[in-house]
Amino acid sequence: GIQVEQSPPDLILQEGANSTLRCNFSDSVNNLQWFHQNPWGQLINLFYIPSGTKQNGRLSATTVATERYSLLYISSSQTTDSGVYFCAVERNSGGGADGLTFGKGTHLIIQP
Amino acid sequence: KAGVTQTPRYLIKTRGQQVTLSCSPISGHRSVSWYQQTPGQGLQFLFEYFSETQRNKGNFPGRFSGRQFSNSRSEMNVSTLELGDSALYLCASSLTGSSPLHFGNGTRLTVT
Repeated sequence: GIQVEQSPPDLILQEGANSTLRCNFSDSVNNLQWFHQNPWGQLINLFYIPSGTKQNGRLSATTVATERYSLLYISSSQTTDSGVYFCAVERNSGGGADGLTFGKGTHLIIQP
Repeated sequence: KAGVTQTPRYLIKTRGQQVTLSCSPISGHRSVSWYQQTPGQGLQFLFEYFSETQRNKGNFPGRFSGRQFSNSRSEMNVSTLELGDSALYLCASSLTGSSPLHFGNGTRLTVT
């Protein structure tokens, strides 16, 4: 199956700092999503971004499908940004839904 | 618009028993998928339903099954529970299956 690697696995930053999270995947995809899992376990969809660039407030994401990677940028970090960030992909299988394959996540801690 | 609702939030069962988990998707969403999250294996795809049909299934034994009703609500069933089935079970809904996924708060199952 498709492989998804996220880096770094852990990241500790001070409030106000910027960060870049990376997701590499091993095959062509037609679906790539970024999620944030908060300390209470809730998974929140941040971006649906199989290609291109999107921005939502302090967060932005870029996917370069031809080079098989995606980046999530967090600017001016706040303590509420703490949690685990997951990248998830679905390979380009030609039809139907194969289910998302998740990376192991980046555990982000924002210190006040 | 109400989000994805999962019930119950917590369950404690003993080995050998069976369990049924319920999921109500966002209104208008026809795709419901299920994921298992454990510390060791991370987030893994169980299966996906669209218009009452299972479109895809992950690599889980036949003890794991599901169904979807005409109102798009879904249930998953695990029979002959094993200790290793202890996990957070997450349900997600989307419009088509390859569109943004929205997760419920999950059901935390503990098998003793």
